[in-house]
Amino acid sequence: DGGITQSPKYLFRKEGQNVTLSCEQNLNHDAMYWYRQDPGQGLRLIYYSQIVNDFQKGDIAEGYSVSREKKESFPLTVTSAQKNPTAFYLCASRLSAGAFTDTQYFGPGTRLTVL
Amino acid sequence: KQEVTQIPAALSVPEGENLVLNCSFTDSAIYNLQWFRQDPGKGLTSLLLIQSSQREQTSGRLNASLDKSSGRSTLYIAASQPGDSATYLCAVFNTDKLIFGTGTRLQVFP
Repeated sequence: DGGITQSPKYLFRKEGQNVTLSCEQNLNHDAMYWYRQDPGQGLRLIYYSQIVNDFQKGDIAEGYSVSREKKESFPLTVTSAQKNPTAFYLCASRLSAGAFTDTQYFGPGTRLTVL
Repeated sequence: KQEVTQIPAALSVPEGENLVLNCSFTDSAIYNLQWFRQDPGKGLTSLLLIQSSQREQTSGRLNASLDKSSGRSTLYIAASQPGDSATYLCAVFNTDKLIFGTGTRLQVFP
């Protein structure tokens, strides 16, 4: 089945720790995205990548880092510099970042909780 | 800066009613608009995508319209069912990314 997988589904972090959220897609999509969702605030863009080995900051990139070494993978690291990381994190992809006809697809999400 | 607003924030209706969910955006220079459904604790599922040159799109009991000049889109759900209960989000595509509204939480009761 083609789609986007995210792991783990639930993640617990102690204060001061870095954690990495996994996102993998087998849709052969060029563009990938990371969003954060908080209650009542909708989805906010953290980072996005239009092509391998390239990525751009979104609206709330501080305290996060990403890499895009392979087309199918776009891991997100939540660093200790992120002051309020407890949230639901969603990964998404689309065939091409600039293609106006493309639908954006989402993974099932990772819920991160800071203890 | 593009802003997307959805009204109402929450809606509770009896089964069988026809519904209209509203989405407005401040900058009419969009390439497309997408409606998504999100079940609690899950990812988003795409429902409909309307190109900027189109006026509406239909899928089953769902119909979405787009009026770029007034910065508005509506999602019409016909003959609502309890299985339609979810949060519905709209998003506009600007240059290379989607900008989301905060969603409408819909509950359809039997």
